[in-house]
Amino acid sequence: AQSVTQPDIHITVSEGASLELRCNYSYGATPYLFWYVQSPGQGLQLLLKYFSGDTLVQGIKGFEAEFKRSQSSFNLRKPSVHWSDAAEYFCAVVGNAGKSTFGDGTTLTVKP
Amino acid sequence: ETGVTQTPRHLVMGMTNKKSLKCEQHLGHNAMYWYKQSAKKPLELMFVYNFKEQTENNSVPSRFSPECPNSSHLFLHLHTLQPEDSALYLCASSQDFSGTGGGSYEQYFGPGTRLTVT
Repeated sequence: AQSVTQPDIHITVSEGASLELRCNYSYGATPYLFWYVQSPGQGLQLLLKYFSGDTLVQGIKGFEAEFKRSQSSFNLRKPSVHWSDAAEYFCAVVGNAGKSTFGDGTTLTVKP
Repeated sequence: ETGVTQTPRHLVMGMTNKKSLKCEQHLGHNAMYWYKQSAKKPLELMFVYNFKEQTENNSVPSRFSPECPNSSHLFLHLHTLQPEDSALYLCASSQDFSGTGGGSYEQYFGPGTRLTVT
């Protein structure tokens, strides 16, 4: 069975500081991996995705993520956080003929 | 309209009412999904439709009844709900469920319907 773990429920960073959100997955083959962001009262928006090829993928809003097969991880990073990045972030894995599994989410708070 | 739309955005209903949630996607996708998002709980996949056929039903109680008349529209009919059914209900779409398009697994979400059962 596939699964996703986001170890950090809540992270607080100062504006301008760097950010890394952790995601670990469990899946028997190479999965399709995604990061989504959800602002309060809104649906989820796709930030970036990994299917194959280059293990460092670039997304929208200055985010990037690196796929590390040996660590079963797909961590999300941003060099300099903006106050508008405060939101909830979800990692997701798609395997098993298209079935999606989402992590529990990480809430990001940005301090001025 | 663009993307995925959901109506209504907010709904308050009594336990004996019958109501329906509507989702419409303007992306030409063939797969549509219903998710339930409760406070302090992970996102729960409820139903998946692929080319109008239901492919997933994650042990959802029968008081939730989905309907997919075509690839662009998805409904969730609600009746005799319980207070614990109060949640944000999200609709999403993707190119198709099988991923044959190689990049079609990504899902596009609507803004959700905030449901309160009193």
